[in-house]
Amino acid sequence: AQTVTQSQPEMSVQEAETVTLSCTYDTSESDYYLFWYKQPPSRQMILVIRQEAYKQQNATENRFSVNFQKAAKSFSLKISDSQLGDAAMYFCAYRTISGYSTLTFGKGTMLLVSP
Amino acid sequence: EAEVAQSPRYKITEKSQAVAFWCDPISGHATLYWYRQILGQGPELLVQFQDESVVDDSQLPKDRFSAERLKGVDSTLKIQPAELGDSAMYLCASSYPGQGGTEAFFGQGTRLTVV
Repeated sequence: AQTVTQSQPEMSVQEAETVTLSCTYDTSESDYYLFWYKQPPSRQMILVIRQEAYKQQNATENRFSVNFQKAAKSFSLKISDSQLGDAAMYFCAYRTISGYSTLTFGKGTMLLVSP
Repeated sequence: EAEVAQSPRYKITEKSQAVAFWCDPISGHATLYWYRQILGQGPELLVQFQDESVVDDSQLPKDRFSAERLKGVDSTLKIQPAELGDSAMYLCASSYPGQGGTEAFFGQGTRLTVV
């Protein structure tokens, strides 16, 4: 079974600074998807960014980018120019392509943003 | 914009009572997930459907939990009898299956409190 590990329960960053959230995963498959989801307090889980494992190029979405290291099974999220609205729980998730598209989450990293 | 609908948003029930949650996925999404999320932790899969079939219920406490998706569209998750430890957020998500889909879309969740 696939596992997703987020080793940082909490991270802090100041507005306008850059922060990196870590994620590692374990799988024997060669093709899969990786995601970062954001869950603000008492609000809906929304997708931040996704990465297809067959693509070598790291995904970017505005201020959000990933560092995908397939051999190391590492998938970190970099948030540039942090904003107060970025404060939330961030979850790393792994999704299989084969079979029934199992979606597995890490335990999350709480991101605190200070003015 | 299409959304995953869940109801109720909040539910308070007494220990040993029955409780049910409803989810309507995005139209066309064959894959439907039910997750349980304890405050401050990552979502844990309870059950996954492909159309009307259960494809993973390995973590579902089957002595008290049941789930169905009779016509392969909306789904109901039931707990009977509820226990204090069932207090959590119950999240429903849907996606296209396999290589035809990428991320899962989440509903707003049902927050259950058992007293």
